[in-house]
Amino acid sequence: GAVVSQHPSRVICKSGTSVKIECRSLDFQATTMFWYRQFPKKSLMLMATSNEGSKATYEQGVEKDKFLINHASLTLSTLTVTSAHPEDSSFYICSARDRINSNQPQHFGDGTRLSIL
Amino acid sequence: EDQVTQSPEALRLQEGESSSLNCSYTVSGLRGLFWYRQDPGKGPEFLFTLYSAGEEKEKERLKATLTKKESFLHITAPKPEDSATYLCAVQAGSNYQLIWGAGTKLIIKP
Repeated sequence: GAVVSQHPSRVICKSGTSVKIECRSLDFQATTMFWYRQFPKKSLMLMATSNEGSKATYEQGVEKDKFLINHASLTLSTLTVTSAHPEDSSFYICSARDRINSNQPQHFGDGTRLSIL
Repeated sequence: EDQVTQSPEALRLQEGESSSLNCSYTVSGLRGLFWYRQDPGKGPEFLFTLYSAGEEKEKERLKATLTKKESFLHITAPKPEDSATYLCAVQAGSNYQLIWGAGTKLIIKP
């Protein structure tokens, strides 16, 4: 149980392109989803938290116009990196939890490796 | 300031050599402590949740314990497939977000 699917697993594209990453909870309803960025040999850096039916909450220093998040349904959240540049290249990971305010564990997707040329 | 520190940063063991990974924390109002395993190029895989001091959880060769200041992840007779980065995260206070440690990279040599 508690499977999270993230797609695509890898993207290579030119500078200026917008890239959409999908995160789906397959066997539970995720009222809360999280988007993380991970740099090589570093831990997870939270970018934003999205609750179904409301706007995402972005962490300090994360540009909301650059990283658009849409929690479209109880099983789907998307992250769109708009007009991506080489410095946006990174490993992006989503996670989901089945309650808004809960001490239940987050379950993670397998991540998306984004490379901007 | 809430903080989570993992040690050691990296640990190399021979197959069968038992050891422990440490996660120490300073937070106000612990709600839960989580252990995850992360393989290269993959997302973290959930292992355990511990909610109160004295609690223990076991899964195969792994055992997690919790005190008021730290958690240990004990690995007994590890195998090469246990090689991974182990991440610790803490949930505290009224904020349900996780505070992450930097991880311990575990390498088990055959």
